Amino acid sequence: AQKITQTQPGMFVQEKEAVTLDCTYDTSDQSYGLFWYKQPSSGEMIFLIYQGSYDEQNATEGRYSLNFQKARKSANLVISASQLGDSAMYFCAMREGDSNAGGTSYGKLTFGQGTILTVHP
Amino acid sequence: EAQVTQNPRYLITVTGKKLTVTCSQNMNHEYMSWYRQDPGLGLRQIYYSMNVEVTDKGDVPEGYKVSRKEKRNFPLILESPSPNQTSLYFCASSPSPYPYEQYFGPGTRLTVT
Repeated sequence: AQKITQTQPGMFVQEKEAVTLDCTYDTSDQSYGLFWYKQPSSGEMIFLIYQGSYDEQNATEGRYSLNFQKARKSANLVISASQLGDSAMYFCAMREGDSNAGGTSYGKLTFGQGTILTVHP
Repeated sequence: EAQVTQNPRYLITVTGKKLTVTCSQNMNHEYMSWYRQDPGLGLRQIYYSMNVEVTDKGDVPEGYKVSRKEKRNFPLILESPSPNQTSLYFCASSPSPYPYEQYFGPGTRLTVT
């Protein structure tokens, strides 16, 4: 089963508008972390925002915020006031805690399939 | 400047010819990892290392080897590359496995013909 699911292969948004990129996850761990990364056409991976499973408040970093709904196991990325430079591929990722008996999942980062965001002028 | 470097950035090779992609970080990070990125599949972890001399398999380790003899370096070795290993490869590091975000290298685009 997919551990991280991004159901939107592509999204379009008008410049200056807000956009939400969806991410759902599946884990039995109580302790885990959720990340969003941006990959522009140049290919590098840029860290955007992090949410810990025990954090009570939604994470925010400038124009990025993470809408964390633990009961629904969703961690959607909200980009406010979109800019042309936001056009990129966006990946949701999860890092599970150390509850795995074999310890093999500890530290492992699992990525979703990605969402391509296109910002129109 | 704090960074993760990978070499080479681009490589075209032939089936069966052994190759090594180097990865180095200057942030004194304990944790390092290799991923491959393929269209529609996101990034998948190949191998990771918790610290020097400690490595473990990720989701897709077949056909790859790694070593971690020094803290800063984590080379990826393809002993006998095959066309299905054509991919974009990323090395990443972080201060510890959890919960820090990972810092990624610029990527290595490998084509195996």
